[in-house]
Order: sequence, then C-alpha cells, then structure tokens
Amino acid sequence: DIVMTQSPLSLSVTPGEPASISCRSSQSLLHLNGYKYVDWFLQRPGQSPQLLIGLGSTRASGVPDRFSGSGSGTDFTLKISRVEAEDVGVYYCMQTLESPYTFGQGTKLEIK
Amino acid sequence: QVKLQESGPGLLKSSETLSLTCRVSGGSVSSHYWSWIRQSPGKGLEWIGYIYYIGTTNYNPSLKSRVTISLDTSKNQISLNLTSVTAADTAVYFCVRLRLSSFDVWGQGATVTVSS
Repeated sequence: DIVMTQSPLSLSVTPGEPASISCRSSQSLLHLNGYKYVDWFLQRPGQSPQLLIGLGSTRASGVPDRFSGSGSGTDFTLKISRVEAEDVGVYYCMQTLESPYTFGQGTKLEIK
Repeated sequence: QVKLQESGPGLLKSSETLSLTCRVSGGSVSSHYWSWIRQSPGKGLEWIGYIYYIGTTNYNPSLKSRVTISLDTSKNQISLNLTSVTAADTAVYFCVRLRLSSFDVWGQGATVTVSS
C-alpha cells in the first residue's frame, strides 16, 4: 500500500498569517497522463471531510482561493495564504492513484 | 446539488453483519463511482471500497473477504455489508461520491459501535 505521511501533525496559526502542510507519499503519485493523484480535505469539528483540492492542485467548487495545492511526484504541499477562524480543523491528504486508496494521519490546525 | 444520507443500526454485537444504506438525492446512482470510507480513532480514515454504476466493484484487500457494496437503482441508493464484525469495526461510516478521481461529496456519516 502507498503510505502517506503528513507533517506537522499540529500547528497553531495567527489569523491572517500563512500556513503550510506537507504530505509525502511512499511512491510517486504522478500518472502518465500528467496528473498527480493527491487530494486534500478539511474536516471541521463535528463534520464530514470536505474536498479542498483535487488532483494535486485543482480547487474544489466553492473553496476560497486562499487554499492552494502543489507538489512533485512524492512531495506535496497545501498552503493557506491567510488563515481565517473557519479554517480550524484537521487536514488530510489522500492518494487515489492506486488501490487501496490511502490517507495521511491528519494535521490539526488551531488558531492562536 | 447531490446529497448523501447514510442510515442503519448504530449498535451491533461481535460476529454480526453490519448493513448500511446511503440514499442519494439531487442526482442519480446511475453515474459516477460510489464509495464507503470509515473513520475510527485508532486507524484514522480508511477507504473500504467502491462500486461503479455498471456494477464493477473494488475493495480494500484488508476487508475484501468480508465486504460487499451494491447499488439499487430503483431506490437510488448504495448499500454496504460487512460480515463478522468485531470491535475493530467500530467507526463512523461515510458514503462518498468518487468523481474524476476525487472524493467530492460526503454524507454526514453513520456511527457504528460493535460490542462484545
């Protein structure tokens, strides 16, 4: 199985400041078609996960443009340009290149 | 707007069969892939498997011997069966749409507790 490793596991950010979460995969998630099969989700307290970024860098419908995704074959980053109070929760990366699809451990973001 | 609603028994005993249904509204099960994902404190988020509307299935090998995902197009719903449950199957079970290789629509989740 492809192992997804996130860092840090928690971070505390002042509103208006940027934040960055890293996700490393145990093998390349770059498909021959050029797409990177990594997604990012936010799970707010008491809610289901919601898709933020698909295929490495495509923002899902309704997701603010302060969220961006980037990365190479095995190293990926989710960036929040200016953190807001509503961004509190746990962020997960996930690979959908190869079955079984697997998730990272999660990164808990809190507001200072 | 597609919405997913899971339902089923919340409490089971060891060795029983977990059966959940997911009702789809605002869209049809006769398109896209439909998946089940579970979340437990011990194992985090775990993909269980998916079904394509033509009936093709793909399961996580860790659960494959015990899991069945099916579609009922007449009721516009997806079902999950997991046999011989143990305490390790205690989790919140999510029904999720898989579209363009991303899990883009999630249900609110159904909490299942397995007691011995």
